[in-house]
Amino acid sequence: QVQLVESGGGVVQPGRSLGLSCTASGFSFSTYDMHWVRQSPGMGLEWVAVLSSDGVSTYYADSVKGRFTISRDYSKTTLFLQMNGLRPEDTAVYFCARSTGGNLGPYPFDSWGQGTLVTVPS
Amino acid sequence: VIGMTQSPSFLSASTGDRVTISCRMSQNIRSYLAWYQQKPGKAPELLMYSASTLQSGVPSRFSGSGSGTDFTLTISYLQSEDFATYYCLQYYSFPFSFGQGTKLEIK
Repeated sequence: QVQLVESGGGVVQPGRSLGLSCTASGFSFSTYDMHWVRQSPGMGLEWVAVLSSDGVSTYYADSVKGRFTISRDYSKTTLFLQMNGLRPEDTAVYFCARSTGGNLGPYPFDSWGQGTLVTVPS
Repeated sequence: VIGMTQSPSFLSASTGDRVTISCRMSQNIRSYLAWYQQKPGKAPELLMYSASTLQSGVPSRFSGSGSGTDFTLTISYLQSEDFATYYCLQYYSFPFSFGQGTKLEIK
């Protein structure tokens, strides 16, 4: 079965960096686009970034563009999110999510990790 | 960026009721709309995609409709396990975007 396990969250001071990981199993990692989605405490869902199945193409939300970088390691079947210049408004639970297809086609997410909490105090 | 308006934000209902949640887009997204259910402390779960296709394992009391700019999620006979928060997602173009959410509460 599909399993996504995030790690790397924690408390980080404003302006500093943090890297998140999402280890995938139970499916062909190279077939699917992979996303990060976040949810601030008590708030709604915000799409953050996507990396294509072939690892070539990316898109980012305007709120993180230029600060966050999404990447993947096929040998480790792991998705990453490098977050630089963190701000208090980046405080959220970060979920990785698997698309239902690849090559940045129009596909929703059908599998999510449990999330990892990132806290940036003000 | 595609704008989305999900309504209502809160919905109070009883078991056995029929409820409808709406999402309106700022531009035509054809049928590239999904619905998710989220319970407290959990990741969202996919209910519906392509506006009206039920995800495997989701009860048939859930249904979706719409295309273009106006979409609805209907739960035909509320069960206790349906009280949760629901989100729509447009995946027509990047950046993807979610609706603001509808919290379905027990009356």
